[in-house]
Amino acid sequence: GDSVTQMEGPVTLSEEAFLTINCTYTATGYPSLFWYVQYPGEGLQLLLKATKADDKGSNKGFEATYRKETTSFHLEKGSVQVSDSAVYFCALSDRSGANNLFFGTGTRLTVIP
Amino acid sequence: ETGVTQTPRHLVMGMTNKKSLKCEQHLGHNAMYWYKQSAKKPLELMFVYSLEERVENNSVPSRFSPECPNSSHLFLHLHTLQPEDSALYLCASSQFSGSTDTQYFGPGTRLTVL
Repeated sequence: GDSVTQMEGPVTLSEEAFLTINCTYTATGYPSLFWYVQYPGEGLQLLLKATKADDKGSNKGFEATYRKETTSFHLEKGSVQVSDSAVYFCALSDRSGANNLFFGTGTRLTVIP
Repeated sequence: ETGVTQTPRHLVMGMTNKKSLKCEQHLGHNAMYWYKQSAKKPLELMFVYSLEERVENNSVPSRFSPECPNSSHLFLHLHTLQPEDSALYLCASSQFSGSTDTQYFGPGTRLTVL
């Protein structure tokens, strides 16, 4: 079945460091891919998405490119800030009638000043 | 209120209690979802309602009972829960159009079962 595997955390970086959080997926069709972010005490917020191969999603300095050949959707940011500290979830949508989302386990990022 | 709201934000209940979680979306969406978030596990989709009809029930125990009286409200009725049911319960909504729809999440209800 469809599934998402993302990099285990936690990840701790200094401010202005480069961030990569790896995400790979398994899907039978052509899923859409998402990154969600969860700040402390809050629900999940959509960070970015890509709906077809080679699409690049971007938002707030974060980017991820849908790579069909490597079944990956790695999240990157060139210079992280303390305010980026959160849990990041990779997810795929199987485009079924119920629009199911399959999530990874989440990666906790802590950015220190 | 904007977006997706959930009440209560925190709930502590005994195994014999009956309680309900409430979700309300102010986005004009026509699909609503319940997820369970447990520590170190992926989010688990529990129930999906589209146009107020249940379209998904992922083998959730009967001690969880959803209700969707209209497109803006979703409830999760709880009874005779187990300690392992302690988790963060997240509600989401989307505008279901038959293709990929972005889901918008509420802040969640932190449930503790004693």
